[in-house]
Amino acid sequence: DSGVTQTPKHLITATGQRVTLRCSPRSGDLSVYWYQQSLDQGLQFLIQYYNGEERAKGNILERFSAQQFPDLHSELNLSSLELGDSALYFCASSVVQNYGYTFGSGTRLTVV
Amino acid sequence: AQTVTQSQPEMSVQEAETVTLSCTYDTSENNYYLFWYKQPPSRQMILVIRQEAYKQQNATENRFSVNFQKAAKSFSLKISDSQLGDTAMYFCAFMSPDSNYQLIWGAGTKLIIKP
Repeated sequence: DSGVTQTPKHLITATGQRVTLRCSPRSGDLSVYWYQQSLDQGLQFLIQYYNGEERAKGNILERFSAQQFPDLHSELNLSSLELGDSALYFCASSVVQNYGYTFGSGTRLTVV
Repeated sequence: AQTVTQSQPEMSVQEAETVTLSCTYDTSENNYYLFWYKQPPSRQMILVIRQEAYKQQNATENRFSVNFQKAAKSFSLKISDSQLGDTAMYFCAFMSPDSNYQLIWGAGTKLIIKP
């Protein structure tokens, strides 16, 4: 157990729908990162939050949004889902960025 | 812009052998950090080892060690006495103040340990 908790582990939904993925960072970690990993691909950085504020943005689609709450948990909202959004979505957290990130076990999203 | 290159898409070795995974990077900075992450079939991303650029000593974690050649911008991972559980994708990653402490990832090397 890495200490980063992601729910749900698996999600199957239809095209056009909206889903919310949740992440609780390791205790004490202020930064949360969201990544997307499509099948047999590398990690694509989506967005980073630090202590409730957006810190950096990557290749995040306009249909996707995220936020970090006062208790530091974060949610990634994916709307108007398309088949191509099917992927593994990782959340990671860090206390000091240059120590590296700790990843959760991911949410596998399947859009049918 | 910084880039990370892993030139070996796939490797396979016999159990108990030693294997070295290659990683090169491009940067003009002097202060940066390098990482190897492992992603086994479970898909969990696991930090294997971390290296600070200003430290000349190569990082070691049990059977995992790195060969950090700063002038050559090379950061290879050596796995000694390989085990079946080492079967995974291995990603090399770079981080620096210039990258805003975001991880810049290589494409990964798929390592298969054969019994």
